[in-house]
Amino acid sequence: DTGVSQDPRHKITKRGQNVTFRCDPISEHNRLYWYRQTLGQGPEFLTYFQNEAQLEKSRLLSDRFSAERPKGSFSTLEIQRTEQGDSAMYLCASSRLAGLAGVGEQYFGPGTRLTVT
Amino acid sequence: DAKTTQPTSMDCAEGRAANLPCNHSTISGNEYVYWYRQIHSQGPQYIIHGLKNNETNEMASLIITEDRKSSTLILPHATLRDTAVYYCIVREAGANNLFFGTGTRLTVIP
Repeated sequence: DTGVSQDPRHKITKRGQNVTFRCDPISEHNRLYWYRQTLGQGPEFLTYFQNEAQLEKSRLLSDRFSAERPKGSFSTLEIQRTEQGDSAMYLCASSRLAGLAGVGEQYFGPGTRLTVT
Repeated sequence: DAKTTQPTSMDCAEGRAANLPCNHSTISGNEYVYWYRQIHSQGPQYIIHGLKNNETNEMASLIITEDRKSSTLILPHATLRDTAVYYCIVREAGANNLFFGTGTRLTVIP
Protein backbone atom coordinates (compact mmCIF):
# COMPACT_ATOMS: atom_id res chain seq x y z
CA ASP A 1 0.00 0.00 0.00
CA THR A 2 1.62 3.23 -1.19
CA GLY A 3 -0.85 5.52 0.53
CA VAL A 4 -2.49 6.55 -2.74
CA SER A 5 -6.06 5.29 -3.05
CA GLN A 6 -8.37 5.14 -6.03
CA ASP A 7 -12.07 4.54 -6.29
CA PRO A 8 -13.66 2.56 -7.78
CA ARG A 9 -11.22 -0.26 -8.49
CA HIS A 10 -13.34 -1.55 -11.35
CA LYS A 11 -15.97 0.10 -13.51
CA ILE A 12 -18.02 -1.42 -16.30
CA THR A 13 -20.06 1.00 -18.35
CA LYS A 14 -21.89 1.10 -21.63
CA ARG A 15 -20.63 3.11 -24.55
CA GLY A 16 -21.85 6.68 -24.40
CA GLN A 17 -22.15 6.87 -20.62
CA ASN A 18 -20.13 9.22 -18.43
CA VAL A 19 -17.82 7.91 -15.72
CA THR A 20 -15.90 9.59 -12.92
CA PHE A 21 -12.94 8.25 -11.00
CA ARG A 22 -11.48 9.54 -7.76
CA CYS A 23 -7.91 9.62 -6.50
CA ASP A 24 -6.73 10.42 -2.98
CA PRO A 25 -2.98 11.13 -2.98
CA ILE A 26 -0.52 10.98 -0.12
CA SER A 27 -1.54 13.95 1.99
CA GLU A 28 1.73 15.89 1.96
CA HIS A 29 2.30 15.48 -1.78
CA ASN A 30 1.84 18.64 -3.87
CA ARG A 31 1.74 16.92 -7.22
CA LEU A 32 -0.85 14.55 -8.58
CA TYR A 33 -0.69 12.72 -11.90
CA TRP A 34 -3.07 10.70 -14.03
CA TYR A 35 -1.87 7.95 -16.35
CA ARG A 36 -3.64 5.47 -18.59
CA GLN A 37 -2.44 1.93 -19.23
CA THR A 38 -3.69 -0.45 -21.90
CA LEU A 39 -2.96 -4.15 -22.02
CA GLY A 40 0.69 -4.98 -22.66
CA GLN A 41 1.81 -1.36 -22.59
CA GLY A 42 3.40 0.80 -19.94
CA PRO A 43 1.47 3.64 -18.35
CA GLU A 44 0.98 6.75 -20.50
CA PHE A 45 0.86 10.22 -18.99
CA LEU A 46 -2.44 12.10 -19.22
CA THR A 47 -2.17 15.17 -16.98
CA TYR A 48 -0.78 16.51 -13.73
CA PHE A 49 -1.64 19.00 -11.02
CA GLN A 50 0.52 21.03 -8.74
CA ASN A 51 -1.73 21.75 -5.80
CA GLU A 52 -5.04 22.74 -7.43
CA ALA A 53 -3.56 23.96 -10.72
CA GLN A 54 -3.62 21.69 -13.75
CA LEU A 55 -0.28 22.49 -15.35
CA GLU A 56 0.11 20.02 -18.17
CA LYS A 57 -2.12 17.90 -20.38
CA SER A 58 -1.08 15.20 -22.79
CA ARG A 59 -2.48 15.13 -26.30
CA LEU A 60 -4.00 11.80 -25.22
CA LEU A 61 -6.41 13.80 -23.05
CA SER A 62 -9.18 14.46 -25.54
CA ASP A 63 -11.91 17.00 -24.89
CA ARG A 64 -14.09 14.18 -23.53
CA PHE A 65 -11.73 13.93 -20.58
CA SER A 66 -11.64 16.41 -17.74
CA ALA A 67 -9.70 16.34 -14.51
CA GLU A 68 -10.02 18.46 -11.41
CA ARG A 69 -8.29 18.86 -8.09
CA PRO A 70 -10.49 21.50 -6.46
CA LYS A 71 -8.79 21.96 -3.11
CA GLY A 72 -5.38 20.61 -3.91
CA SER A 73 -6.17 17.33 -2.22
CA PHE A 74 -8.17 14.60 -3.98
CA SER A 75 -8.66 14.61 -7.74
CA THR A 76 -11.36 13.39 -10.11
CA LEU A 77 -11.05 12.25 -13.70
CA GLU A 78 -14.25 12.30 -15.74
CA ILE A 79 -14.73 10.71 -19.13
CA GLN A 80 -17.81 11.83 -21.04
CA ARG A 81 -19.50 9.81 -23.78
CA THR A 82 -17.25 6.83 -23.23
CA GLU A 83 -15.98 4.84 -26.19
CA GLN A 84 -14.70 1.27 -26.33
CA GLY A 85 -11.21 2.64 -26.90
CA ASP A 86 -11.35 4.21 -23.45
CA SER A 87 -11.15 0.75 -21.87
CA ALA A 88 -7.94 0.78 -19.86
CA MET A 89 -6.48 0.99 -16.40
CA TYR A 90 -6.48 4.56 -15.11
CA LEU A 91 -3.67 5.18 -12.66
CA CYS A 92 -3.16 8.03 -10.26
CA ALA A 93 0.18 8.94 -8.72
CA SER A 94 1.48 11.62 -6.41
CA SER A 95 4.86 13.09 -5.60
CA ARG A 96 6.48 15.75 -3.51
CA LEU A 97 7.80 18.89 -5.10
CA ALA A 98 11.31 18.31 -3.87
CA GLY A 99 13.82 19.26 -6.49
CA LEU A 100 14.31 17.78 -9.90
CA ALA A 101 14.78 14.23 -8.64
CA GLY A 102 11.85 14.21 -6.27
CA VAL A 103 9.36 14.90 -9.03
CA GLY A 104 10.31 11.60 -10.61
CA GLU A 105 9.69 9.64 -7.43
CA GLN A 106 6.00 9.03 -7.92
CA TYR A 107 3.79 6.82 -5.79
CA PHE A 108 1.00 5.08 -7.64
CA GLY A 109 -2.40 3.95 -6.57
CA PRO A 110 -3.84 0.55 -7.49
CA GLY A 111 -5.70 1.96 -10.49
CA THR A 112 -9.27 1.92 -11.75
CA ARG A 113 -9.94 -0.63 -14.45
CA LEU A 114 -12.52 0.69 -16.90
CA THR A 115 -14.35 -1.60 -19.29
CA VAL A 116 -16.58 0.04 -21.89
CA THR A 117 -19.05 -2.39 -23.50
CA ASP B 1 9.46 8.50 -27.55
CA ALA B 2 11.37 5.95 -25.50
CA LYS B 3 14.89 6.96 -24.54
CA THR B 4 15.72 3.54 -23.12
CA THR B 5 16.13 0.03 -24.46
CA GLN B 6 15.46 -3.01 -22.30
CA PRO B 7 15.21 -6.73 -23.01
CA THR B 8 11.64 -7.87 -23.37
CA SER B 9 11.93 -10.64 -20.81
CA MET B 10 14.34 -12.35 -18.42
CA ASP B 11 14.29 -15.29 -16.04
CA CYS B 12 16.10 -15.55 -12.72
CA ALA B 13 16.39 -18.41 -10.25
CA GLU B 14 14.97 -17.76 -6.81
CA GLY B 15 17.67 -16.68 -4.37
CA ARG B 16 20.04 -15.57 -7.09
CA ALA B 17 20.82 -11.99 -8.07
CA ALA B 18 18.69 -10.54 -10.84
CA ASN B 19 20.58 -8.14 -13.09
CA LEU B 20 18.33 -6.08 -15.33
CA PRO B 21 20.12 -4.06 -18.02
CA CYS B 22 19.04 -0.81 -19.59
CA ASN B 23 20.57 1.10 -22.45
CA HIS B 24 20.16 4.87 -22.53
CA SER B 25 22.86 5.95 -24.94
CA THR B 26 21.34 9.37 -25.67
CA ILE B 27 21.04 10.44 -22.04
CA SER B 28 22.05 14.02 -21.37
CA GLY B 29 23.95 15.36 -18.41
CA ASN B 30 21.02 16.47 -16.26
CA GLU B 31 18.75 13.50 -16.84
CA TYR B 32 18.05 11.03 -14.08
CA VAL B 33 17.61 7.28 -14.45
CA TYR B 34 14.62 5.84 -12.60
CA TRP B 35 13.52 2.28 -12.11
CA TYR B 36 9.98 1.21 -11.39
CA ARG B 37 8.32 -2.16 -11.33
CA GLN B 38 4.75 -3.28 -11.79
CA ILE B 39 3.48 -6.47 -10.28
CA HIS B 40 0.48 -7.95 -12.03
CA SER B 41 -2.75 -6.00 -11.46
CA GLN B 42 -1.05 -3.39 -9.28
CA GLY B 43 0.13 0.17 -9.91
CA PRO B 44 3.82 0.79 -10.65
CA GLN B 45 6.15 0.87 -7.67
CA TYR B 46 9.12 3.22 -7.42
CA ILE B 47 12.37 1.33 -6.81
CA ILE B 48 15.36 3.62 -7.11
CA HIS B 49 16.88 6.46 -9.11
CA GLY B 50 20.31 7.90 -9.83
CA LEU B 51 22.15 10.56 -11.74
CA LYS B 52 25.82 9.60 -11.92
CA ASN B 53 26.76 7.61 -8.86
CA ASN B 54 25.74 4.08 -8.02
CA GLU B 55 22.86 3.94 -5.60
CA THR B 56 21.61 1.33 -3.13
CA ASN B 57 18.49 1.13 -1.03
CA GLU B 58 16.59 -1.60 0.78
CA MET B 59 15.09 -2.87 -2.46
CA ALA B 60 17.88 -2.80 -5.01
CA SER B 61 21.14 -1.40 -6.29
CA LEU B 62 21.54 0.78 -9.35
CA ILE B 63 24.82 0.67 -11.23
CA ILE B 64 25.34 3.44 -13.80
CA THR B 65 28.28 3.20 -16.19
CA GLU B 66 30.81 5.99 -16.14
CA ASP B 67 29.68 7.29 -19.53
CA ARG B 68 26.05 7.06 -18.27
CA LYS B 69 24.96 5.31 -21.45
CA SER B 70 23.69 2.26 -19.64
CA SER B 71 22.68 1.06 -16.23
CA THR B 72 21.87 -2.15 -14.40
CA LEU B 73 19.30 -2.73 -11.70
CA ILE B 74 20.36 -5.44 -9.30
CA LEU B 75 17.98 -7.34 -7.04
CA PRO B 76 20.50 -9.12 -4.81
CA HIS B 77 18.41 -12.13 -3.78
CA ALA B 78 15.40 -12.49 -6.03
CA THR B 79 12.22 -13.95 -4.57
CA LEU B 80 9.04 -15.11 -6.28
CA ARG B 81 7.43 -11.81 -5.25
CA ASP B 82 9.93 -9.97 -7.45
CA THR B 83 8.23 -11.35 -10.56
CA ALA B 84 7.07 -8.19 -12.32
CA VAL B 85 7.60 -5.86 -15.27
CA TYR B 86 10.58 -3.60 -14.61
CA TYR B 87 10.71 -0.20 -16.26
CA CYS B 88 13.88 1.82 -16.80
CA ILE B 89 13.02 5.48 -17.33
CA VAL B 90 15.17 8.43 -18.25
CA ARG B 91 13.41 11.55 -17.14
CA GLU B 92 14.02 14.65 -19.18
CA ALA B 93 15.17 17.65 -17.24
CA GLY B 94 12.12 19.70 -16.39
CA ALA B 95 9.68 17.00 -17.50
CA ASN B 96 6.80 16.47 -15.15
CA ASN B 97 5.79 13.03 -16.32
CA LEU B 98 7.43 9.64 -16.69
CA PHE B 99 7.65 7.77 -20.00
CA PHE B 100 7.40 4.08 -19.17
CA GLY B 101 7.95 2.17 -22.41
CA THR B 102 7.25 -1.57 -22.31
CA GLY B 103 9.86 -2.67 -19.76
CA THR B 104 11.41 -6.07 -18.99
CA ARG B 105 9.22 -8.87 -17.75
CA LEU B 106 11.24 -10.61 -15.02
CA THR B 107 10.13 -14.08 -14.01
CA VAL B 108 11.68 -15.53 -10.85
CA ILE B 109 11.72 -19.30 -11.08
CA PRO B 110 11.51 -21.54 -7.99
